[in-house]
Amino acid sequence: QVQLQESGPGLVKPSETLSLTCAVSGYSISSGYYWGWIRQPPGKGLEWIGSIYHSGSTYYNPSLKSRVTISVDTSKNQFSLKLSSVTAADTAVYYCARAHIAAAGTSGAFDIWGQGTMVTVSS
Amino acid sequence: EIVMTQSPATLSVSPGERATLSCRASQSVSSNLAWYQQKPGQAPRLLIYGASTRATGIPARFSGSGSGTEFTLTISSLQSEDFAVYYCQQYNNWPTFGPGTKVDIK
Repeated sequence: QVQLQESGPGLVKPSETLSLTCAVSGYSISSGYYWGWIRQPPGKGLEWIGSIYHSGSTYYNPSLKSRVTISVDTSKNQFSLKLSSVTAADTAVYYCARAHIAAAGTSGAFDIWGQGTMVTVSS
Repeated sequence: EIVMTQSPATLSVSPGERATLSCRASQSVSSNLAWYQQKPGQAPRLLIYGASTRATGIPARFSGSGSGTEFTLTISSLQSEDFAVYYCQQYNNWPTFGPGTKVDIK
């Protein structure tokens, strides 16, 4: 059974960098799929942040691209998110998820999700 | 950016009734469309991908249709566990989600 688990600080100060890790169990990241991050501000909808292929190639939401870095550590079977220069608008539940590979070779539907972790940006 | 819209925002349905949810894309996404169900305090759950393919373990009462810019999720006979928020997501371009439709008890 494939499981994903997010971890990281629940409170980040404005202007600092938010860092989260997603540990994957039951499946080897090296075997394929895209691995992505999605966030959801309290009471609002879902926003895709970015995705990484098992090979390490990435693509990001253009509105966040200048602040986002996603990386993969196949030796630990985990992938990570860094979001720099955070503001209160970055307060959200952050989910990691596994994505199908779409026909065009890009990130497709997200079939397995972590439980999510709440990150609050506040001084 | 491909903008996704969903209607209605809220759908009130009695248990056992049929629910029809709509999703529209601002430009064609072919069949690169997924539907998710989200309950309070839980992560989204994939229901449908490729516009009409049920994900593993999803009951047959959930069905998806459409292509291009117009899509529909149908729940043939609502069960108590189906009251939730439903999101559509396109992945023809970089992924974007609709604002959601809340299905509540009439």
